[in-house]
Amino acid sequence: DTGVSQDPRHKITKRGQNVTFRCDPISEHNRLYWYRQTLGQGPEFLTYFQNEAQLEKSRLLSDRFSAERPKGSFSTLEIQRTEQGDSAMYLCASKGSPDVLFFGPGTRLTVL
Amino acid sequence: DQQVKQNSPSLSVQEGRISILNCDYTNSMFDYFLWYKKYPAEGPTFLISISSIKDKNEDGRFTVFLNKSAKHLSLHIVPSQPGDSAVYFCAASVGYSGGSNYKLTFGKGTLLTVNP
Repeated sequence: DTGVSQDPRHKITKRGQNVTFRCDPISEHNRLYWYRQTLGQGPEFLTYFQNEAQLEKSRLLSDRFSAERPKGSFSTLEIQRTEQGDSAMYLCASKGSPDVLFFGPGTRLTVL
Repeated sequence: DQQVKQNSPSLSVQEGRISILNCDYTNSMFDYFLWYKKYPAEGPTFLISISSIKDKNEDGRFTVFLNKSAKHLSLHIVPSQPGDSAVYFCAASVGYSGGSNYKLTFGKGTLLTVNP
């Protein structure tokens, strides 16, 4: 399978804990995006990378959120001191041709 | 301020008939539009796209129409099949012609149910 993969698929945590998600994009894609989807809403942009450079961050990405893509391949999204409002599906996507984002299956976060 | 709007939360059609899903946008800078399909517990899957230089794009059973003056696009599925039952998202981006960040703005989605 050469699609976008995300790990874990599900994460349950207690409020105040830190969590980290991983995304492996399609290998030849140099742009990687993180989105968040809450119930009844469409995916909302969080941030994106061109290779290892983080080029844009949404105002949705508070100081508790940090994303990295250290070698321009896989990416991690960390949430510190989780809050119940962080409960959502976190989607990763990589950009292919002809200008389409290919999404992974997502990581569903539940904060108790 | 929702820049991409899908005003119908749900749509139900009979198998074999046409499904028409609608989308409106407010940002006149948008010049590239996409439709994604999403099944529960999966990520969105790309269906079809259209750039603002066109008013129609077809791919098999799927056709997208763009009316720039009305800031409206629609997705037609003919004939509809039970396997088409899913949530359909309309998305838009700015700067297709170059230098774009390809950041997509999504609508809230429309749940399509195709009844056998």
